[in-house]
Parts: sequence; C-alpha cells; structure tokens
Amino acid sequence: QKEVEQNSGPLSVPEGAIASLNCTYSDRGSQSFFWYRQYSGKSPELIMSIYSNGDKEDGRFTAQLNKASQYVSLLIRDSQPSDSATYLCAVNDGSSASKIIFGSGTRLSIRP
Amino acid sequence: NAGVTQTPKFQVLKTGQSMTLQCAQDMNHNSMYWYRQDPGMGLRLIYYSASEGTTDKGEVPNGYNVSRLNKREFSLRLESAAPSQTSVYFCASSGTGAADEQYFGPGTRLTVT
Repeated sequence: QKEVEQNSGPLSVPEGAIASLNCTYSDRGSQSFFWYRQYSGKSPELIMSIYSNGDKEDGRFTAQLNKASQYVSLLIRDSQPSDSATYLCAVNDGSSASKIIFGSGTRLSIRP
Repeated sequence: NAGVTQTPKFQVLKTGQSMTLQCAQDMNHNSMYWYRQDPGMGLRLIYYSASEGTTDKGEVPNGYNVSRLNKREFSLRLESAAPSQTSVYFCASSGTGAADEQYFGPGTRLTVT
C-alpha cells in the first residue's frame, strides 16, 4: 500500500514565525509532489508543486524535496492568522500517471 | 472560467435511496476524479477517468458507479445509499501526465440517514 504520512497536529505557531510542515512518502517511483491548503468546510487548494530535489520558493512559501530520503516539506515564512488551515501533502502514484495519493493533513494554527 | 463545478452542494438521503452527483470542468482537462473525505481519513479516491471514454476504480469504489459523459462532465452515482456513505464528496480534474496538478470543485456534503 502506497502511503503519504503527515503529523496530524495541531501545529501551533506564533504570528510572524516560520511554520514547518513535513511529509514522508513510500513510493520511490513518485516524481511529482504537491502541497494543498484546505480551510475548514472548503475544498483543497493547490499552493505549491515541486518536481526536483532542492527548494522551490513562491512568495512566503518554500517547498523542499529530498527524493533519496523520500521527504517533502513546506515552510511558511512570516506566518499570518490567515494561514491557519489544514495542509495536505500529495504525491503522484509512480505506477499510474493520473493518480495522486494524499496524506491525511496537518492542522496548522497561527496564534496572534 | 468557472474551473470545476459540482452539484448539489448539500444533500440528505434516506438509506436505500439513489442519487447522482454531477461534476463539470471548463479547463479542457483530460483526467477527472471523485474523492470522498471523512474526518481524520484524508481524501480517498473513489473512481477516476484518465481520459474521455475510460474509467477506473480507486481505493474505495464499492457502492458507487461513475459515468464520463464527455470530456467536461464526470458523474458519480450512489445506487442504494448507506449511512457509511455519509461524507463530503469532491470532484477534481487535471491534465495528463505525472506532473499535472489536480484542481478541486467546491464539494458536496452528503448525509445518509
């Protein structure tokens, strides 16, 4: 069974600090990695995708990928109360090009 | 450009009733998906359609059927609803290939009593 593992949280971070979210995956054939944000009662929204080892930055968000360790992370700099949400890590199924496997999410709470 | 749309937004069914959830996308995507999300369980894939004319089972297909009506539309049918199917259902779409991201509709909150 291919798995994507995340700490469910809640992760509490003070406003203005860096929030660090982590994810591990089991499928060594995976090539595409995604972070989604989901507010309570809403649908998942794609915030970052990463395909190569290393860092990818987009505004306050940085995704980090280490394929050798099968590890993906998301850093949120200057955390804002509006960043409070559940963050879903997702990884493509290496044996089926169309499918993505989702982790169960980490709940992030930014405290003022 | 509406993206992915779903109808209805909310539905209450009695055990044994049937219904169809509708999904449409206007992004010219080839692939479409149906997920359910239960508290603490994350998103679980029910069925997907990699391209028009094809459908495949996902992780939790029992009790569901799907139809890829055309490139834009992908419906999910519950033939005989059960309380275990109480969930939030999301439709998503993507282009083809491993690199393509999935984009989600707003969801349907279904309660089966």
